[in-house]
Amino acid sequence: GENVEQHPSTLSVQEGDSAVIKCTYSDSASNYFPWYKQELGKGPQLIIDIRSNVGEKKDQRIAVTLNKTAKHFSLHITETQPEDSAVYFCAASPRSSNTGKLIFGQGTTLQVKP
Amino acid sequence: GAVVSQHPSWVICKSGTSVKIECRSLDFQATTMFWYRQFPKQSLMLMATSNEGSKATYEQGVEKDKFLINHASLTLSTLTVTSAHPEDSSFYICSARGAGGNSYNSPLHFGNGTRLTVT
Repeated sequence: GENVEQHPSTLSVQEGDSAVIKCTYSDSASNYFPWYKQELGKGPQLIIDIRSNVGEKKDQRIAVTLNKTAKHFSLHITETQPEDSAVYFCAASPRSSNTGKLIFGQGTTLQVKP
Repeated sequence: GAVVSQHPSWVICKSGTSVKIECRSLDFQATTMFWYRQFPKQSLMLMATSNEGSKATYEQGVEKDKFLINHASLTLSTLTVTSAHPEDSSFYICSARGAGGNSYNSPLHFGNGTRLTVT
């Protein structure tokens, strides 16, 4: 089945700097890759997603890139702010599933220092 | 839009009792809901897929008799942890995808989770 690897597990940046989180997936047929932000004690919140027919997508300070050949995708946050501090999860939707379930990476704890 | 409500947000129960968690899609109909489990500082692990009007599909290693799932309507799925034990203590999160969305690449919306503590 699908396996998603996420790195790094923790990331500390200075306010205003950029943060990059990387994920790889194993199922070449996966075609949907969302990113979620989870704050303490809350459920994950979708922040951006990308489909396999697109190489890059941007939404204000957040961007996601997808390399289908290498089977990896990355989250880029520019001009980081303290409120960006949270746990970020990447996920992939394996094509083999007819329900569209998501398989999550291990998560990255991002700390933005003021 | 696309709000998923989960209730209760936290529950404490004694070992051996059963606990029911509700997941509701507030402003859309959800033919499919997913139940995840998350241990502290770990990722979300899919437990089962809940389909409206049919039996749930459980992931490998998840006991279907222990984690009973019912998806009786397009807006409500319930997870019942039966005969709970301390090792069942965890953060349970449900998610839902709208009926109109393509199942492969439409957004999945999550509830705010239920913190279960079994004493």
